[in-house]
Amino acid sequence: DTAVSQTPKYLVTQMGNDKSIKCEQNLGHDTMYWYKQDSKKFLKIMFSYNNKELIINETVPNRFSPKSPDKAHLNLHINSLELGDSAVYFCASSQGTGSVRYTFGSGTRLTVV
Amino acid sequence: AQSVTQPDIHITVSEGASLELRCNYSYGATPYLFWYVQSPGQGLQLLLKYFSGDTLVQGIKGFEAEFKRSQSSFNLRKPSVHWSDAAEYFCAVDLVRGKLQFGAGTQVVVTP
Repeated sequence: DTAVSQTPKYLVTQMGNDKSIKCEQNLGHDTMYWYKQDSKKFLKIMFSYNNKELIINETVPNRFSPKSPDKAHLNLHINSLELGDSAVYFCASSQGTGSVRYTFGSGTRLTVV
Repeated sequence: AQSVTQPDIHITVSEGASLELRCNYSYGATPYLFWYVQSPGQGLQLLLKYFSGDTLVQGIKGFEAEFKRSQSSFNLRKPSVHWSDAAEYFCAVDLVRGKLQFGAGTQVVVTP
């Protein structure tokens, strides 16, 4: 019955590889987000999608590409992984483009070696 | 520039003692305000939120927060902490369109 689920929970990969993180929500929300938490635990928004439309795109390298096949899914694809991409990535969802019913996933810990 | 400041990086408190975590924001209007908790290796759990109305907000796990417009603050309190309250606490504001801006976090350590 997980509301916002991310897979995988842990991901260890080598520099230069391409990887994806998947996110699914079963709350019926129409907006989904990706946040990055760095090694100092600082959280920063990367992207948000509303009804499959990109509405927030922070200054994130082009190697990061979100994809939303439908309202319930927002995947994050990362090309040419770098050491600095190591972080915890959180998916979240809300109803509407507001934070009234924000729900976070449990995170994906990405380690680039 | 809009910002969220949590002045205390680390707080140590004895079990049973009271806890107060500080949060200040810099924003043109009164934003939506939140407190989240992150236990080790876990995701973010919403403790409470303030949108409008009563400036004293009750949350889960016995936490409350008070919004003070004059001080641009939204401090989190708990009268008596439990060992399970050891975690990282984040204050956040909703800038626009669901874009949450987080403070740097305060790590709470609970001693016996």
